[in-house]
Amino acid sequence: AQSVTQLGSHVSVSEGALVLLRCNYSSSVPPYLFWYVQYPNQGLQLLLKYTSAATLVKGINGFEAEFKKSETSFHLTKPSAHMSDAAEYFCAVRHMNSGGYQKVTFGTGTKLQVIP
Amino acid sequence: DGGITQSPKYLFRKEGQNVTLSCEQNLNHDAMYWYRQDPGQGLRLIYYSQIVNDFQKGDIAEGYSVSREKKESFPLTVTSAQKNPTAFYLCASSMVTEAFFGQGTRLTVV
Repeated sequence: AQSVTQLGSHVSVSEGALVLLRCNYSSSVPPYLFWYVQYPNQGLQLLLKYTSAATLVKGINGFEAEFKKSETSFHLTKPSAHMSDAAEYFCAVRHMNSGGYQKVTFGTGTKLQVIP
Repeated sequence: DGGITQSPKYLFRKEGQNVTLSCEQNLNHDAMYWYRQDPGQGLRLIYYSQIVNDFQKGDIAEGYSVSREKKESFPLTVTSAQKNPTAFYLCASSMVTEAFFGQGTRLTVV
């Protein structure tokens, strides 16, 4: 089964420091990969997506992620954290199941805390 | 504006009652999904639908039911058979790649 693993359920960084949120996926075929952000009591908002074009993907709010096939990773980074980045982040993979149906599977999420 | 509308935002249910969560989209997307979110468990797929009048069970379908009579609508019923229904429920739709989400419904059993 396709899956994603997010390392670290909680990450704390100082304001202005590098943000690095880790995601590893398992997929037997080239996947579609996504990062979403969720603020409390809200839905998920797409940050960025990988669809087999450029391996370095830039998203909204200064975030970017690099697809590394050899490491089966899709880590999310931002050079300088801002207080408004405090939220929960989800990595997700889109894949087709054995019945030919498209499914999106999510990781368990990483809560980012930004310390002033 | 195009988007996904979930209603109500908050819902309270007595034990033994069925409740229906609404999800409507005007994005003309074929696929729609229901997810359940619990703290520390991420999003778990309940049901999904690729086309009208067709839907598939996800990973945690027991105690839930859905219908897809119209492309725009994918309501979720939480039945009395669902033993622990208190959670945040998210509806999503997609066309080719990414999924777009509604703002969620928080269901609480009282």
